[in-house]
Amino acid sequence: KAGVTQTPRYLIKTRGQQVTLSCSPISGHRSVSWYQQTPGQGLQFLFEYFSETQRNKGNFPGRFSGRQFSNSRSEMNVSTLELGDSALYLCASSLGGRGVHSPLHFGNGTRLTVT
Amino acid sequence: QKEVEQDPGPLSVPEGAIVSLNCTYSNSAFQYFMWYRQYSRKGPELLMYTYSSGNKEDGRFTAQVDKSSKYISLFIRDSQPSDSATYLCAMPQTGRRALTFGSGTRLQVQP
Repeated sequence: KAGVTQTPRYLIKTRGQQVTLSCSPISGHRSVSWYQQTPGQGLQFLFEYFSETQRNKGNFPGRFSGRQFSNSRSEMNVSTLELGDSALYLCASSLGGRGVHSPLHFGNGTRLTVT
Repeated sequence: QKEVEQDPGPLSVPEGAIVSLNCTYSNSAFQYFMWYRQYSRKGPELLMYTYSSGNKEDGRFTAQVDKSSKYISLFIRDSQPSDSATYLCAMPQTGRRALTFGSGTRLQVQP
């Protein structure tokens, strides 16, 4: 089974620009989560989508948004980029069913550098 | 104070050593406990997944949970250079499908 695929692997953007990151989950997984990883804050939860609906949201400003398509693929958008948005953005998929917490399977991330 | 505390290391050990990695947490509502391993330039991969107190063994890896002390451990026996990575503990947040991660411990196993 193919793992979680994230594109692109690397991105360099300028302050004020916007960026879109893409994530293809493991086949059959309906939940997609996004995390930001920085040396200072570690891994922090951004949001989670299930069946095209945002089910959970972390404590990030509204500049961070996402969506999920009917095939479970997901995109994340960051508008008006700031230097502090430089980070590794990780996507994770899971079965996402109700009740038991299903383990997350991560992609290798998109490294975003804002200059 | 962070909900999950983890010594960042680096922890350097010789090949064949027993490694002990630890996390403490403050939220007594945490029920599930996970350990992820992250190699350089890769995403985290799930190593162990345990529920409630006790031990769980998988090959050279043993996860231990002590809920009374809010303390979890990951032991690696006969450590190998290929075990060199960052190890992250994680717990599902209460009421929502999100994980709270420790900051990660960087492990180096010297050949």
